Amino acid sequence: DGGITQSPKYLFRKEGQNVTLSCEQNLNHDAMYWYRQDPGQGLRLIYYSQIVNDFQKGDIAEGYSVSREKKESFPLTVTSAQKNPTAFYLCASSSRQTGEAFFGQGTRLTVV
Amino acid sequence: SQQGEEDPQALSIQEGENATMNCSYKTSINNLQWYRQNSGRGLVHLILIRSNEREKHSGRLRVTLDTSKKSSSLLITASRAADTASYFCATDPSLDGSARQLTFGSGTQLTVLP
Repeated sequence: DGGITQSPKYLFRKEGQNVTLSCEQNLNHDAMYWYRQDPGQGLRLIYYSQIVNDFQKGDIAEGYSVSREKKESFPLTVTSAQKNPTAFYLCASSSRQTGEAFFGQGTRLTVV
Repeated sequence: SQQGEEDPQALSIQEGENATMNCSYKTSINNLQWYRQNSGRGLVHLILIRSNEREKHSGRLRVTLDTSKKSSSLLITASRAADTASYFCATDPSLDGSARQLTFGSGTQLTVLP
């Protein structure tokens, strides 16, 4: 059945390492997004992509990178340049027709 | 930047009571959406109201939008313990409503006591 899948659910990273979070959707949506959520906070936009091979920085893109080589996939890399990466990361895709966003179940990243 | 801001930050009510949450925003919008998030999970879309609409219903949910005051409210009637969650408003400023850059508020944590 259709949906958006994030993996892994939990991820631990040592300081200085890059890690990549996976996001896959089979909803045939053009637009995909990455958000960061800190405890008790709202969502902050990291990157978004409207079409394949194109993406735009959101409000907090520093220390992150993305790619959009396929319509279904929008992986997020948290680089060592991100000084405070411990957070809950949410991927979403949206329907151009309805404007409604669909979210994955999130990846909780912890720096150890 | 967080355009939508929910009020109150936290709300605790008894089962069967109504819960009202408010959202204020700053710039023009194409539509405003409400989402629900259970603890540690992704967000689930509840309802979307377009800028030319004033009120919308979906089951026990009622949403109002006042574009002159740049505010919206979400009413949950006859609340249940299962309604306990965080509720977020999100604004879509895009001209075509394509949710190009949905901006979320910081949420209202609703607790419904049995």
